Amino acid sequence: GENVEQHPSTLSVQEGDSAVIKCTYSDSASNYFPWYKQELGKRPQLIIDIRSNVGEKKDQRIAVTLNKTAKHFSLHITETQPEDSAVYFCAAREKDDKIIFGKGTRLHILP
Amino acid sequence: EAGVVQSPRYKIIEKKQPVAFWCNPISGHNTLYWYLQNLGQGPELLIRYENEEAVDDSQLPKDRFSAERLKGVDSTLKIQPAELGDSAVYLCASSLGLFNEQFFGPGTRLTVL
Repeated sequence: GENVEQHPSTLSVQEGDSAVIKCTYSDSASNYFPWYKQELGKRPQLIIDIRSNVGEKKDQRIAVTLNKTAKHFSLHITETQPEDSAVYFCAAREKDDKIIFGKGTRLHILP
Repeated sequence: EAGVVQSPRYKIIEKKQPVAFWCNPISGHNTLYWYLQNLGQGPELLIRYENEEAVDDSQLPKDRFSAERLKGVDSTLKIQPAELGDSAVYLCASSLGLFNEQFFGPGTRLTVL
């Protein structure tokens, strides 16, 4: 079946540095790519999303890029802060409108 | 405005017992989703409702799982009988239509002993 692969599974960065999380998808008809942040024991929350007619979107310290040809998209967090520590999930909406999630990236911001 | 409400938050049962989870979506949200989230994994869709109609239940193990959304508002997910492998967090989400942001509830953490 269709799937979304996410890398890395764990990422540690020094506070103030940038973090990049990458995802690939298999369904070329996918048209919507949300990113969710999930803190320990809490619900996933949408932090940014991008649609297939756009190559890049930015919201303050967070940006997402999409390469439709290569079928991959990435989350970029700049000037990382301790509160950025969480698990991040990418997702892709496929041609049957089902949203498939990646397995997640645990981001640690080191002091 | 209240978010998605789920109950119970935690449930511990013995295998072969039945269990039910309840979800009340955000007011006005016609699309409701039930997801299963295993530890260290992303959410996996079990079923999606558009109002009271189940439009995607392809991932729901129908031999033991059932769901309903009779009046197109709140929903119940049931497992009967529960198995050890059903231990997970069950997340409910809702959106204002299929193509809008999904808002997740806090989840129900199920432990099957």
